[in-house]
Formats: sequence, C-alpha cells, structure tokens
Amino acid sequence: ETGVTQTPRHLVMGMTNKKSLKCEQHLGHNAMYWYKQSAKKPLELMFVYSLEERVENNSVPSRFSPECPNSSHLFLHLHTLQPEDSALYLCASSPGQFSYEQYFGPGTRLTVT
Amino acid sequence: KQEVTQIPAALSVPEGENLVLNCSFTDSAIYNLQWFRQDPGKGLTSLLLIQSSQREQTSGRLNASLDKSSGRSTLYIAASQPGDSATYLCAVKESGSSNTGKLIFGQGTTLQVKP
Repeated sequence: ETGVTQTPRHLVMGMTNKKSLKCEQHLGHNAMYWYKQSAKKPLELMFVYSLEERVENNSVPSRFSPECPNSSHLFLHLHTLQPEDSALYLCASSPGQFSYEQYFGPGTRLTVT
Repeated sequence: KQEVTQIPAALSVPEGENLVLNCSFTDSAIYNLQWFRQDPGKGLTSLLLIQSSQREQTSGRLNASLDKSSGRSTLYIAASQPGDSATYLCAVKESGSSNTGKLIFGQGTTLQVKP
C-alpha cells in the first residue's frame, strides 16, 4: 500500500449528478496530480498543483473542477459528465514538481451512465 | 511535442525467461524517466527512476537503462515469474522552462508470464 489514498474506489454516476473524488497523501509532498486513464489510451495528465497552487491545466473541460485546500488533500469535483468520461482517475504526489519520483494512489474507477 | 512509445504492446513468455521491454521518446530534454507496474484495475507502482544524468538503475531482478541521446530506455527482467504478469508503463518527465514537470506516458507493455 502506498502513502497515497483515494476515495471512493468505484463510482457510478448519472450525467446530471455531481460528485467528488478525494485524494490524500501522507508523504509530506508538495506537489499533487490528477491523471486520467481511459481504455486503450495512454495515461494523460489533467491537473498539477504545487504548494496548493494550480500550475497546470491540461486543456481539461470545465465539467472537471479540481480543488487543493492544503498540500495533503486534492479533490476532483465532477458535474454534468459524459459517458466518455468513464475512466480510471489516478492521483499522484511527489516531493516537488521537478525531477522527483511520483507516487500513485490506487485510483477511482468512474462509470458515467 | 514529446511522444513516448513502448514496444511490444503485449508479450507472453514462459516462466524463467529473461526479457526486455523497450521504451522510446522523441525529445531528449528530460529530467528523468520512470518505469511503473500496473496490475489490472489498479494504480501504478513505481519500479525504477532514472535521472537524466544516469545510465541505469537496478532493483532486484529489474534493471533499467537510459540512453538519452538516442531517446531510448529498456527494462530488463531477469528470471521472470508468473507474479511479474502486469502492464509495464514507461514515463518521462520533461525539462525546460515552459513545463510543469508533468509525466508523459507510453501506452504500456502487457506482460504475461506462463507457469
């Protein structure tokens, strides 16, 4: 088990629902990341936070809204999603943005119906 | 634009064999390269991290090499075991002032080791 936890592990939601994914890291890291892993596609970065400031938004639609209230917690708020948003959402953290190893959580398997 | 390619996409070998997984990247301006393992439906486990100034890293039966100038890395697995069956992902962290240190992933090699 890594020092990065994610809840829930599985989520099924309708297109009109609002839900949130939670990530928590117990490693004292300063950078946190959201990645999306869709079937048959490489893992792709969504957002990067460094010292609670968003430093990267990788052209993600506004129906995904990240929040980083402190350096240990990262949220991904979801609303009005589409079926193609169904994927495994992975959170990661690292000591700093550059040059350091990233540690991943177990992911949230999201299904949009 | 950095692109990462992994060959082969899938590999099936008998137990005990030594094997090599390949990763190539198009832009040699990287901070580091990281190899991960992913079991079905699970998150990623970091296996080895090679900094851009290093040539290789070893951990147990795993050895990863990096040739930055040619844009290549290999992951060598010695004496493979059925428990090594998983998808192996290669990712590079770009350098340069315009980036935020994000990882660029390949699509992975799915390995099956048969008893």
